[in-house]
Amino acid sequence: EPEVTQTPSHQVTQMGQEVILRCVPISNHLYFYWYRQILGQKVEFLVSFYNNEISEKSEIFDDQFSVERPDGSNFTLKIRSTKLEDSAMYFCASSQQAMNTEAFFGQGTRLTVV
Amino acid sequence: QKEVEQNSGPLSVPEGAIASLNCTYSDRGSQSFFWYRQYSGKSPELIMFIYSNGDKEDGRFTAQLNKASQYVSLLIRDSQPSDSATYLCAVGFSGGYNKLIFGAGTRLAVHP
Repeated sequence: EPEVTQTPSHQVTQMGQEVILRCVPISNHLYFYWYRQILGQKVEFLVSFYNNEISEKSEIFDDQFSVERPDGSNFTLKIRSTKLEDSAMYFCASSQQAMNTEAFFGQGTRLTVV
Repeated sequence: QKEVEQNSGPLSVPEGAIASLNCTYSDRGSQSFFWYRQYSGKSPELIMFIYSNGDKEDGRFTAQLNKASQYVSLLIRDSQPSDSATYLCAVGFSGGYNKLIFGAGTRLAVHP
């Protein structure tokens, strides 16, 4: 069964460092997303991406965040200068269409900023 | 501010019983409704989705949608201990590119 895959599963980084989280969406999906979940809190939308550009982003997704589809399979989230409060699980998701269609989540990357 | 509300639980049911999980949402223009299951430390796993008013059944799961009341529910029949998890209600709001707004989740505990 097709699935969304994310690497690494766990990343520890020092405050102020840059991190790149990687995702391989399901191959025939066209819409890609990043969500995050701080421990004990809700899953929060960060950004959606379609046709090589951001289609929507949340207030959380400020200038320290960026997304990219560097090739035909990978989708990345870059955090430029990490802060302690960026520590969370980051989930990549993908869907075939924009609306009224299921979004499938990857297994997540646990980011710990120390 | 678009909101999705769920009772945090825990909802405790005996094995074999029906578990009923509820969710309300704020935006009348919402078009798509999803139930995800999340085990501790894991990612959300899609269980059910529903787009139209009424009931939708898939195995032991039934999703119910009432757009007039802005209410969506999930029934789990013949609950098993392996169903013990947090159940997340997620809503796709109008005009959002499948941006999902999640509720905080209801923790379900099925005891033998």
